[in-house]
Amino acid sequence: DVKVTQSSRYLVKRTGEKVFLECVQDMDHENMFWYRQDPGLGLRLIYFSYDVKMKEKGDIPEGYSVSREKKERFSLILESASTNQTSMYLCASSPWGRRGYEQYFGPGTRLTVT
Amino acid sequence: AQSVTQPDIHITVSEGASLELRCNYSYGATPYLFWYVQSPGQGLQLLLKYFSGDTLVQGIKGFEAEFKRSQSSFNLRKPSVHWSDAAEYFCAVGDGATNKLIFGTGTLLAVQP
Repeated sequence: DVKVTQSSRYLVKRTGEKVFLECVQDMDHENMFWYRQDPGLGLRLIYFSYDVKMKEKGDIPEGYSVSREKKERFSLILESASTNQTSMYLCASSPWGRRGYEQYFGPGTRLTVT
Repeated sequence: AQSVTQPDIHITVSEGASLELRCNYSYGATPYLFWYVQSPGQGLQLLLKYFSGDTLVQGIKGFEAEFKRSQSSFNLRKPSVHWSDAAEYFCAVGDGATNKLIFGTGTLLAVQP
């Protein structure tokens, strides 16, 4: 079974803090994705990566950065957390090619910024 | 630009009743279409996918979906809903060669006993 794990299920941080969300997949997938999920807005893509050290901006990259130093690990960084970044964050991975649309999701991290 | 519309935000059905969740897409070429399900407190799980060929596709948990090009639709169906089907359902379209998915806003399904 493909497994995508996220470092925390729940996280509470203060405004201005630097926040790291970690995601690890165990299926040697090339693609990894970070989404945020908000009620009524569905899933919105923040960043994605096709390979180690490669990253591409998604639809809402402002206020976020990412790091992919190893194939299995994709980190989302909030440089200076703000209250409007309170959300559910979902990580996903997929293989390259047409099956790349079959994304496998982690359980999510619910981040609250106070 | 590609987009996905799920017109129903919330649907309630009785256990044992049939279900149809609507999905409309906007995409220039032949789309790759997907349905994902998110159970409470969980990540998303792929239910079924359409790439080409037979327009009626079968998925897991007894779900099926039908691709109708003329209506730009990919509706999800199940003949008899179980209480465990209560979840949020997302339709998505694949964005060309990038492996990105564009998601709809989701439909929350409640199942009455």
